[in-house]
Amino acid sequence: SQQGEEDPQALSIQEGENATMNCSYKTSINNLQWYRQNSGRGLVHLILIRSNEREKHSGRLRVTLDTSKKSSSLLITASRAADTASYFCATDKGFQKLVFGTGTRLLVSP
Amino acid sequence: DVKVTQSSRYLVKRTGEKVFLECVQDMDHENMFWYRQDPGLGLRLIYFSYDVKMKEKGDIPEGYSVSREKKERFSLILESASTNQTSMYLCASSLVAEFQETQYFGPGTRLLVL
Repeated sequence: SQQGEEDPQALSIQEGENATMNCSYKTSINNLQWYRQNSGRGLVHLILIRSNEREKHSGRLRVTLDTSKKSSSLLITASRAADTASYFCATDKGFQKLVFGTGTRLLVSP
Repeated sequence: DVKVTQSSRYLVKRTGEKVFLECVQDMDHENMFWYRQDPGLGLRLIYFSYDVKMKEKGDIPEGYSVSREKKERFSLILESASTNQTSMYLCASSLVAEFQETQYFGPGTRLLVL
């Protein structure tokens, strides 16, 4: 069951610009997580937001969650070339069974 | 740092072969997971395990089985490999603890079934 849908599928920006990625899901969740994947490698956890939270920050990352709209957004401020990667949202309906979205490919050009 | 290792980065097998993918974690995590990743489909959960000798089916278990004889090791088995099992396989582990839901991933195994 593919729960998360990410938008856009691909995003190309210049260094220093902000990048915003969106995630929509279908059913109620315990939490929503964002992961990054560098080309052809494993995923790295970025940030987790719980269903009773609306916004969370971690360094240059800002995540919002709107449970009424079943959507989340990830904002990366002041992007760097090293932020080039694929970004995935994952919803946890309970017991850590994550359902991943299809991902957003971010390209940050110098 | 948590380390999750997978036995091979790349693997080429023939149709009908039995294939073992091994995953080892070094942080005493109770939970272990196997996903496959395909273009346009994201990651899909194949099997997971909450404890030794315990396993639960994920979203796409057909054609796969798993084994967890020791806490640190979780094996994915393709009983008779088929070409539609060509994919990237990712293992992950996590703690069973409130507010510790982060999953730690291995580097992945790219499997090609000819």
